Amino acid sequence: KAGVTQTPRYLIKTRGQQVTLSCSPISGHRSVSWYQQTPGQGLQFLFEYFSETQRNKGNFPGRFSGRQFSNSRSEMNVSTLELGDSALYLCASSLAFPGGQETQYFGPGTRLLVL
Amino acid sequence: DQQVKQNSPSLSVQEGRISILNCDYTNSMFDYFLWYKKYPAEGPTFLISISSIKDKNEDGRFTVFLNKSAKHLSLHIVPSQPGDSAVYFCAASGAGNQFYFGTGTSLTVIP
Repeated sequence: KAGVTQTPRYLIKTRGQQVTLSCSPISGHRSVSWYQQTPGQGLQFLFEYFSETQRNKGNFPGRFSGRQFSNSRSEMNVSTLELGDSALYLCASSLAFPGGQETQYFGPGTRLLVL
Repeated sequence: DQQVKQNSPSLSVQEGRISILNCDYTNSMFDYFLWYKKYPAEGPTFLISISSIKDKNEDGRFTVFLNKSAKHLSLHIVPSQPGDSAVYFCAASGAGNQFYFGTGTSLTVIP
């Protein structure tokens, strides 16, 4: 079974631009979560989507948004990029069966550099 | 507020010895805990998990211990191998599917 895929793997943008990152979950997984990883900060939770609805949201400004499609694929958008948005953005998927304890499986990440 | 903490940023261990990575959490509602391993330029790879109804879970060379009263979990790797050198993250979740991650511990296994 194919793992979580993320595109693009690397991206360079300038301040003020916007960017869209894509994530395809493991087949059959219905939940997709997004994380930002910066040096020394660990993985900071951005948001989680399930059945095309945002179910959980982390403490990030409204410039960060996402969506999920009917096939569970997800996109994340960052508008008005700032230098501090330079990070590794990770997507994780899980089965999300009701009442279950989940294991999230991660993609390789998208490395974003904002100049 | 960091609900999951890994207070040791780095750890060095001789090959063949035991590696012990520690993690503390503050939220008593967490009931599922996981450890991930991460190599540079790759996403985290799931290693092992434990539910709050258990205090120990083993998978080969990896054992996770959970002390609920102390809100502490640890990952033991025995014996440690050079290929285990990576950053290890612990994560915790409660109701819902939101996970909280620690800041990671960089393990170096010296041949």
